[in-house]
Amino acid sequence: EPEVTQTPSHQVTQMGQEVILRCVPISNHLYFYWYRQILGQKVEFLVSFYNNEISEKSEIFDDQFSVERPDGSNFTLKIRSTKLEDSAMYFCASRGDSTPGYTFGSGTRLTVV
Amino acid sequence: DAKTTQPNSMESNEEEPVHLPCNHSTISGTDYIHWYRQLPSQGPEYVIHGLTSNVNNRMASLAIAEDRKSSTLILHRATLRDAAVYYCIRYYNNNDMRFGAGTRLTVKP
Repeated sequence: EPEVTQTPSHQVTQMGQEVILRCVPISNHLYFYWYRQILGQKVEFLVSFYNNEISEKSEIFDDQFSVERPDGSNFTLKIRSTKLEDSAMYFCASRGDSTPGYTFGSGTRLTVV
Repeated sequence: DAKTTQPNSMESNEEEPVHLPCNHSTISGTDYIHWYRQLPSQGPEYVIHGLTSNVNNRMASLAIAEDRKSSTLILHRATLRDAAVYYCIRYYNNNDMRFGAGTRLTVKP
């Protein structure tokens, strides 16, 4: 069964550093998403991406965040200057035009120290 | 905000059916009802969705009230691997999926 692949599975970074989280969505999917989940809390929507541009973003997705689909297969989330409160699991998801649900990756655990 | 109401937690015995309720009293006519679950240390996983009619798939059944103000996810025989947080979400077409707190299902052997 097709999967959404996320790398790395765990990343530790120092406060103030830039991080890039990588995702390979399912190949024929057209809609891409990033979510985050702080430990013990609910899954929070960050951003959606379609046709090479952001469709919608939440209030969490401020100027420190950006997304890119650099080469037609990868979908990345960049955090420019990480803060301690950015520590969370980050999930990538994708959806096809005719698929009813989102397919999520296994996540990247980001720890900011 | 998922705009749905679910119990915080439920318990079930292994191999018994589980009925997970969800209230969505302000649902509009075009909102689908989606269910996802999140197993421990994993990303959310699509379970099932419906609009008006009851739906079945290999994972579960979805029973939707006639007035669409509530629905119930049915796991016909719970296994230990079904222990997860189950999310009921109103979803319209290309809007974005928003998760609530969900119901934490514990399955006892």
